[in-house]
Amino acid sequence: QQPVQSPQAVILREGEDAVINCSSSKALYSVHWYRQKHGEAPVFLMILLKGGEQKGHDKISASFNEKKQQSSLYLTASQLSYSGTYFCGTEGEEGYGQNFVFGPGTRLSVLP
Amino acid sequence: DVKVTQSSRYLVKRTGEKVFLECVQDMDHENMFWYRQDPGLGLRLIYFSYDVKMKEKGDIPEGYSVSREKKERFSLILESASTNQTSMYLCASSFQGRATNEKLFFGSGTQLSVL
Repeated sequence: QQPVQSPQAVILREGEDAVINCSSSKALYSVHWYRQKHGEAPVFLMILLKGGEQKGHDKISASFNEKKQQSSLYLTASQLSYSGTYFCGTEGEEGYGQNFVFGPGTRLSVLP
Repeated sequence: DVKVTQSSRYLVKRTGEKVFLECVQDMDHENMFWYRQDPGLGLRLIYFSYDVKMKEKGDIPEGYSVSREKKERFSLILESASTNQTSMYLCASSFQGRATNEKLFFGSGTQLSVL
C-alpha cells in the first residue's frame, strides 16, 4: 500500500526550513528518500532502517519512527538547488525489498 | 560515473502498436526495474528482474511484459499500446540481491505518448 506524503506541495524562500512527512499504514523495515529535479532522474538521498535512527548530510536530514510508521525529511536553510519533487519509498517489515513502494511525492519550490 | 541509459527521451506511438523501451546499465548490477511515473501517483513498479532471464511482476504489470537476455539490458514491451499507457517510464538498477539497503540508480526516463 502506497505511503502518504504531506504536504503535497510547498513553496519556500531561500533560507527557510521545510519538513516533508511520509507515513504508512503498515509496519516498516526501512524508509528511502529520493529527490527528482524537473526533467531529471530521481536521485537517492538516504535510507533509514528501523531502530529509530536519524540521518543527515549537508543541511538535509531525516528521522524514522517505526512505532508511528512514519519518517520526516528536514531541509534546513533551503537553497535554490533544493527545488524538486521528493519521494519517500517504504519497505515492509519483512525486509529484503518486500513490498517496496514509493509515495506520490512532495513538490518543493524554493524561490530567491 | 554510474549510468543507466534509456534509449529514447521522447516516443510517440499509435494505439495498437508494439512498443519497446530499452534500458542499459553499465554498473554490473544484478537488479533492474521498470517504473511508471504519473502526476499525483508517484512511481509505480511495473516489473523487476533479479537476474538474467528472470522477471517478477510489480504492482501494475497488466499490459506490459519484459525481457532480460543480458545482465546489463532490461526491456519493457507494450504488446499493444493503449492511450492509458501514455506516461513517463523510468528504468532503475541496484547492486544485488534483495538487500534492504540497496539504493536505486535511475535513468532519465522515456516520455511515451500513445495517440
